[in-house]
Amino acid sequence: AQSVAQPEDQVNVAEGNPLTVKCTYSVSGNPYLFWYVQYPNRGLQFLLKYITGDNLVKGSYGFEAEFNKSQTSFHLKKPSALVSDSALYFCAVRVLLNSGNTPLVFGKGTRLSVIA
Amino acid sequence: KAGVTQTPRYLIKTRGQQVTLSCSPISGHRSVSWYQQTPGQGLQFLFEYFSETQRNKGNFPGRFSGRQFSNSRSEMNVSTLELGDSALYLCASMDRGERGTEAFFGQGTRLTVV
Repeated sequence: AQSVAQPEDQVNVAEGNPLTVKCTYSVSGNPYLFWYVQYPNRGLQFLLKYITGDNLVKGSYGFEAEFNKSQTSFHLKKPSALVSDSALYFCAVRVLLNSGNTPLVFGKGTRLSVIA
Repeated sequence: KAGVTQTPRYLIKTRGQQVTLSCSPISGHRSVSWYQQTPGQGLQFLFEYFSETQRNKGNFPGRFSGRQFSNSRSEMNVSTLELGDSALYLCASMDRGERGTEAFFGQGTRLTVV
């Protein structure tokens, strides 16, 4: 079965410093990987995705993520964190099976806190 | 384009009651998925509908059901509510539900069972 792990429940970073939110996945086929962000009392907002091609994917609000097939990772990064980046971040994966598309499977989320 | 609309935003129900939640996807989107979000379990997939047919189903009891109408609007129903059903229920829409397509989420319905 496919799964996603976000090993850190909480990440704290000072404003202006680079941030990394980690994600590893386990799938039996080619993964399609996504990052979403959730602000308090809101739904999830799409940040970026990896389908194929360049391993470095750029997304919204200055975020980027690096796909590493050998390490089965898809870490989210930003060169300079903002206080407004403080939110809950979710990594998700989707796999195509012979029976058809599979739904998105989410990690448990990482709470990012950027301190001024 | 209007986003994904979920109604109501908040609900308080009593144990044993049933509840119906509604989701209107982005215009033109034919895939609607439902997720349950709780602090302990994170986001768990409930079911996905595409062109009025259930395409995928998660590991939830039969008390949880859904349907999709010809205009792609979707409803989910929970019967015989339990305290553990208290959660944020999120709906997501996609145009065709292809694997490389990102899902767009509504703001959710916060259900509290007392």
